[in-house]
Amino acid sequence: GAVVSQHPSWVICKSGTSVKIECRSLDFQATTMFWYRQFPKQSLMLMATSNEGSKATYEQGVEKDKFLINHASLTLSTLTVTSAHPEDSSFYICSARSLEREGPYEQYFGPGTRLTVT
Amino acid sequence: GQNIDQPTEMTATEGAIVQINCTYQTSGFNGLFWYQQHAGEAPTFLSYNVLDGLEEKGRFSSFLSRSKGYSYLLLKELQMKDSASYLCAGLDSNYQLIWGAGTKLIIKP
Repeated sequence: GAVVSQHPSWVICKSGTSVKIECRSLDFQATTMFWYRQFPKQSLMLMATSNEGSKATYEQGVEKDKFLINHASLTLSTLTVTSAHPEDSSFYICSARSLEREGPYEQYFGPGTRLTVT
Repeated sequence: GQNIDQPTEMTATEGAIVQINCTYQTSGFNGLFWYQQHAGEAPTFLSYNVLDGLEEKGRFSSFLSRSKGYSYLLLKELQMKDSASYLCAGLDSNYQLIWGAGTKLIIKP
């Protein structure tokens, strides 16, 4: 149980285009979802926290107009990287948390999406 | 400020035991997590400690001392597949995870 999927698992796009990444909780309702970014050999960096039905809370230094987050339902959150540039190339990981499950503060991670902007 | 410290890299031998230490400073404390992350993959949950003491789960054990702001992850009977990064993360008063930079564990035959 506690499976989180991400789609796509990898994507290559041209500079200036937009890319949408989906994060789904498959067997539980995710009251909160988190979006992380990880550059090579670095730790996870939290980008934003989203609760279903409300606006995402962005971490300092993360441009909310560039990284659009929509948590439309209890099982789906999307991250759209708008006008992507090569420096946005990174490993994007989502995680989900549910108050329903045992260990309510545990975050269940998706497999990640590797974005390469050329 | 909030901070999680753990060693950058450790090396150990297959079949041996290794202890990865983590010290934390968080605004409030609601527990400490350990995650394993293989290269190019997402983290996977290993353990969660909120009370002092040792929690054992198979070959992996995790220890917490709240008074010292200290935790460790103990890996026994090391296998080559244990080569990975191990991430320590503290849960603060807002139930937000504060992540360490990770410890890269290299297992040698």
